Amino acid sequence: KQEVTQIPAALSVPEGENLVLNCSFTDSAIYNLQWFRQDPGKGLTSLLLIQSSQREQTSGRLNASLDKSSGRSTLYIAASQPGDSATYLCALKGSYIPTFGRGTSLIVHP
Amino acid sequence: NAGVMQNPRHLVRRRGQEARLRCSPMKGHSHVYWYRQLPEEGLKFMVYLQKENIIDESGMPKERFSAEFPKEGPSILRIQQVVRGDSAAYFCASSPPRLARGQNEQFFGPGTRLTVL
Repeated sequence: KQEVTQIPAALSVPEGENLVLNCSFTDSAIYNLQWFRQDPGKGLTSLLLIQSSQREQTSGRLNASLDKSSGRSTLYIAASQPGDSATYLCALKGSYIPTFGRGTSLIVHP
Repeated sequence: NAGVMQNPRHLVRRRGQEARLRCSPMKGHSHVYWYRQLPEEGLKFMVYLQKENIIDESGMPKERFSAEFPKEGPSILRIQQVVRGDSAAYFCASSPPRLARGQNEQFFGPGTRLTVL
């Protein structure tokens, strides 16, 4: 059974810092890994999707990496802004059912 | 190009009533997933459907919960005789027909927040 852990659970940083959010998983037999953003009381917004054959994906200030051998993915946020404040979730897809971590709650203060 | 739509956005029910949650997938998407998010917990898979078929309902409680995705119209998650523990946010996601198993990206709706009084 796939288990997904996200560390840290919560993070508060000043604006402008570069951040690394971590996602670890126990079963490396995955098809893809997806990072989401969830704002309070809202749905999930897909940020990046990494297929199992890929090592990383980039979109703007975001970069996600995938290392299946070590069971880890990181989401790197460059030059953080207050608008980045949200909960960030990673989801592993081993078949057609993704397993979600509990998320990292990020606050970027001005 | 509308995204995944869910309605209602907020639903209040008294114990013992029925709750019906609707999900319209993105255009061209034939796969629908339902998830439940309890306060302070992660997203939990409930059921995976294709048109007129339930593919996997391993995450669905055995009693009171049912789901369908008819040939025409939205997918429906139905909760009968609701209890306070059913209070949660229910999210729907859709994906296009699979090009290769498990590889498709999921797109989420805004969720329905169910409150049981």
